[in-house]
Amino acid sequence: GAVVSQHPSRVICKSGTSVKIECRSLDFQATTMFWYRQFPKKSLMLMATSNEGSKATYEQGVEKDKFLINHASLTLSTLTVTSAHPEDSSFYICSADGQVGVTQYFGPGTRLTVL
Amino acid sequence: QKEVEQNSGPLSVPEGAIASLNCTYSDRVSQSFFWYRQYSGKSPELIMSIYSNGDKEDGRFTAQLNKASQYVSLLIRDSQPSDSATYLCAVNQAGGTSYGKLTFGQGTILTVHP
Repeated sequence: GAVVSQHPSRVICKSGTSVKIECRSLDFQATTMFWYRQFPKKSLMLMATSNEGSKATYEQGVEKDKFLINHASLTLSTLTVTSAHPEDSSFYICSADGQVGVTQYFGPGTRLTVL
Repeated sequence: QKEVEQNSGPLSVPEGAIASLNCTYSDRVSQSFFWYRQYSGKSPELIMSIYSNGDKEDGRFTAQLNKASQYVSLLIRDSQPSDSATYLCAVNQAGGTSYGKLTFGQGTILTVHP
């Protein structure tokens, strides 16, 4: 149980394009989904918290117009990196929380490379 | 600023030994504590969760929590080369809009050598 998937697992795009990453909870309904970014040899940094049917809450320093988050259902959240630039290249990981305050389960991550 | 601190290591132990990983946190009202294992290039995998003071054992893993000292640790008995990974300590913030968010430490790199 508690499986979270992400798609795509790897994406390479040109600078200026937009990339959409999907996060799905496969066997449970996620009250909340979280989006993290991880740079090489660094820990996970929370970007935003996403609740189904409401606007995402972004962490300080994260541009909400650049990283668009949509949480349309209890099993799907999407992160769109708009007008991507090389500095956006990173490992993006989502997690899902079936019950507030209880364990988060992580997706396998999406490695984004912007040329 | 709520912080979670770990020794970044690397921690190197011989196969079969006990690996001890430590973590301190600054937010005294934190309620839930987690240890995740992350292999290079992969996402974190939950190893242990602990919510009450004391020890919690699961197979070769034992988590220890001391809320008075704001300290949580992970012991890995009979360490195996496959345990070599980065271990992330995570703390669940409590209260208000922070409820449910995890704050991660920087991770401890563990190497188990044959």
